[in-house]
Amino acid sequence: DAGVTQSPTHLIKTRGQQVTLRCSPKSGHDTVSWYQQALGQGPQFIFQYYEEEERQRGNFPDRFSGHQFPNYSSELNVNALLLGDSALYLCASSLGPDRRWGYTFGSGTRLTVV
Amino acid sequence: DAKTTQPTSMDCAEGRAANLPCNHSTISGNEYVYWYRQIHSQGPQYIIHGLKNNETNEMASLIITEDRKSSTLILPHATLRDTAVYYCIVSHGSSNTGKLIFGQGTTLQVKP
Repeated sequence: DAGVTQSPTHLIKTRGQQVTLRCSPKSGHDTVSWYQQALGQGPQFIFQYYEEEERQRGNFPDRFSGHQFPNYSSELNVNALLLGDSALYLCASSLGPDRRWGYTFGSGTRLTVV
Repeated sequence: DAKTTQPTSMDCAEGRAANLPCNHSTISGNEYVYWYRQIHSQGPQYIIHGLKNNETNEMASLIITEDRKSSTLILPHATLRDTAVYYCIVSHGSSNTGKLIFGQGTTLQVKP
């Protein structure tokens, strides 16, 4: 049973560049959420996608955008990268936006901005 | 969403029960208590959740006090693989409230 798959696992980008991270949800799940985790901190919610629409958004600037495809996979795009965007980016999937049954997280993409 | 307070770190001997406390004194009637853990270099893993009754699954037990202002996650027989950061999260269980608010969590170190 494939869990949540994220790609790439590691990435190094230069300040000012743009980056796209990808997530395939667990089989049977239709909702994807993205989190940013800085070193030594708990994950912070970026946004959630359900039915190909952004349903809820955390306190992140418009440089962070996303997309969900008909097969439920999702992308996270970050424009004009800053050094402070260096973090572990986590994707979580669930069946429906109601987290009553818990989310399944991927292992994340480690983004380093230099 | 209600805030939670957890100890920064705890130790537990291998094979013994690990009891991780969480205070959530401002919890409201429709908010659930969720527990996740994060092993180093991995994404968070869902453990268990509850509303007001005690819950048990193959991983752990969740004990919620009668006034719901605190809870305890119990790992009955801790192993070295249970070493992780444990997050207690209180939030609505209704639809379209997708975010989980993670705090700093409790770092549990299981020792041989």
